[in-house]
Amino acid sequence: GAGVSQSPRYKVTKRGQDVALRCDPISGHVSLYWYRQALGQGPEFLTYFNYEAQQDKSGLPNDRFSAERPEGSISTLTIQRTEQRDSAMYRCASSLNAGEQYFGPGTRLTVT
Amino acid sequence: GQNIDQPTEMTATEGAIVQINCTYQTSGFNGLFWYQQHAGEAPTFLSYNVLDGLEEKGRFSSFLSRSKGYSYLLLKELQMKDSASYLCAVRDRYGGATNKLIFGTGTLLAVQP
Repeated sequence: GAGVSQSPRYKVTKRGQDVALRCDPISGHVSLYWYRQALGQGPEFLTYFNYEAQQDKSGLPNDRFSAERPEGSISTLTIQRTEQRDSAMYRCASSLNAGEQYFGPGTRLTVT
Repeated sequence: GQNIDQPTEMTATEGAIVQINCTYQTSGFNGLFWYQQHAGEAPTFLSYNVLDGLEEKGRFSSFLSRSKGYSYLLLKELQMKDSASYLCAVRDRYGGATNKLIFGTGTLLAVQP
């Protein structure tokens, strides 16, 4: 079946603009996660949802970052007033329950 | 604090066996995962340990010792396609939710002919 999909795959934006990154999890997966991955590093946890409830947002760097999953399926990660330090690969993952997480291809964000 | 250590790079020969170690110190523990990540691609799940001991899965095995905060991934009969980064991740606890993964920086394995 289809895996986790993310869009856009690449996003270039100017500093100060807002961006919205979308994640479509594997159908039926209850849990959805957002990570950020710098080159040569492991993924860094940002936030996660069970159904539509945001269970943990302790990894969001500051209040410019927010995420939602209003119907318990697709999720959007929004970054307001982007800064150059926000440039990274943003990865979404989903899991059926508390099992292994399946990662999407990521969105490469570049802030100029 | 949260700390996961693994070697940055390793080199091995095709057909050989390689062991990638991971040590962890985390505020909570509810399982340890290994992921494989080829350059430019998403991490893919390899193995999961929650109890002490060895889990075998084809050419890949993973071991866990919770008392020592230690795990290793064993790759047998190495193939060129095994050249990738191998990520160790601990599932932490956050209140009643237990699904947050804390990743190490990854071990870049180069398999040589």
